[in-house]
Amino acid sequence: SQTIHQWPATLVQPVGSPLSLECTVEGTSNPNLYWYRQAAGRGLQLLFYSVGIGQISSEVPQNLSASRPQDRQFILSSKKLLLSDSGFYLCAWSVERSGNTIYFGEGSWLTVV
Amino acid sequence: GQQVMQIPQYQHVQEGEDFTTYCNSSTTLSNIQWYKQRPGGHPVFLIQLVKSGEVKKQKRLTFQFGEAKKNSSLHITATQTTDVGTYFCAGRGGSNYKLTFGKGTLLTVNP
Repeated sequence: SQTIHQWPATLVQPVGSPLSLECTVEGTSNPNLYWYRQAAGRGLQLLFYSVGIGQISSEVPQNLSASRPQDRQFILSSKKLLLSDSGFYLCAWSVERSGNTIYFGEGSWLTVV
Repeated sequence: GQQVMQIPQYQHVQEGEDFTTYCNSSTTLSNIQWYKQRPGGHPVFLIQLVKSGEVKKQKRLTFQFGEAKKNSSLHITATQTTDVGTYFCAGRGGSNYKLTFGKGTLLTVNP
């Protein structure tokens, strides 16, 4: 069966510090990968998606970047965090053969102080 | 771009009452999906609707997809405290891998 791992689960970072959130998917190949952000426990904002290694599409201009160095690995980064980057970050995957249903990781709570 | 509106934002009910959340898209959808997020948790897939006018049931949950494939609803009969959480609809338009999520409806149930 497929699983998705995302880490770290929580982190508190000072303003101006770098960020790296990692996500790996197991049990499937060539998944579509996503990073979402959820602010204030509500709506889901799509930040990045990737349909293959090295292929990243950004949905909104921001202080963040994403990379996909391996087929089932997706990384969310920032060189200098802002207070507004605080939120709940969710990695997710989907495959076309299952109707592209999106499966979310357990999320990472980021607090920028 | 595609927009998905979801109402109400919040709904508080007494245990045993029914609950409905509605989802409307600005464009025709190829399919719509529903997710549930428990407090402190991550969204979990509930169901996908594909056909015009489709109705699916999961125990006390009934999902409908409109005839024009631009709206959908989730109805819960006789709510229980375990139903607490935020329910999201997500619509897929022309793109095969991008879902547009509604802002969700937060359901609270008073025991």
